[in-house]
Amino acid sequence: AQTVTQSQPEMSVQEAETVTLSCTYDTSESDYYLFWYKQPPSRQMILVIRQEAYKQQNATENRFSVNFQKAAKSFSLKISDSQLGDAAMYFCAYRNYGGSQGNLIFGKGTKLSVKP
Amino acid sequence: DTGVSQDPRHKITKRGQNVTFRCDPISEHNRLYWYRQTLGQGPEFLTYFQNEAQLEKSRLLSDRFSAERPKGSFSTLEIQRTEQGDSAMYLCASSLEVEREAFFGQGTRLTVV
Repeated sequence: AQTVTQSQPEMSVQEAETVTLSCTYDTSESDYYLFWYKQPPSRQMILVIRQEAYKQQNATENRFSVNFQKAAKSFSLKISDSQLGDAAMYFCAYRNYGGSQGNLIFGKGTKLSVKP
Repeated sequence: DTGVSQDPRHKITKRGQNVTFRCDPISEHNRLYWYRQTLGQGPEFLTYFQNEAQLEKSRLLSDRFSAERPKGSFSTLEIQRTEQGDSAMYLCASSLEVEREAFFGQGTRLTVV
């Protein structure tokens, strides 16, 4: 069974600085997707960034980028120029590629605080 | 259609009572998922539908839980004989295809007293 581990329950960053959130996963599959979701307090979960395992190039979305290390099964999220609105729970998630399985497997999350 | 809608947002019920939650997915999305999120944890998969067919159920979905998606549109999740351990946030998500992004609703927070 696939598992996702986020080893940092809480992280803090100064506004305008850069922070990296860690995620490792375990799977025997070669094709899969990895995601970072953001869940602000009392608000719905939104997708931050996604990575297809077959792509070697790391995904980037504006201030958000990932460091995908397939051999090490590592998928970290880097947030550059942190803003107060980035404060939220961040969840790393995994999903198998194709087939009938569509469910996401989530880590326990990292609570990110942004200091003004 | 502005997104996935869940109703109610909050539900307080006495132990032993039955509760039902509703999820309205984004209209053209044929896949619908239910997750449960307890405090300090990530969401855990419960079940999912492709159109009206329930394709997978987690072992977390005990026989007190039942989900339906009649006509492949909205979905309901019913919990019978609620227990205190059922207290959680119940999240619904939908996607157009399995490879596409899943959009989440704001969830229904259940408190069993």
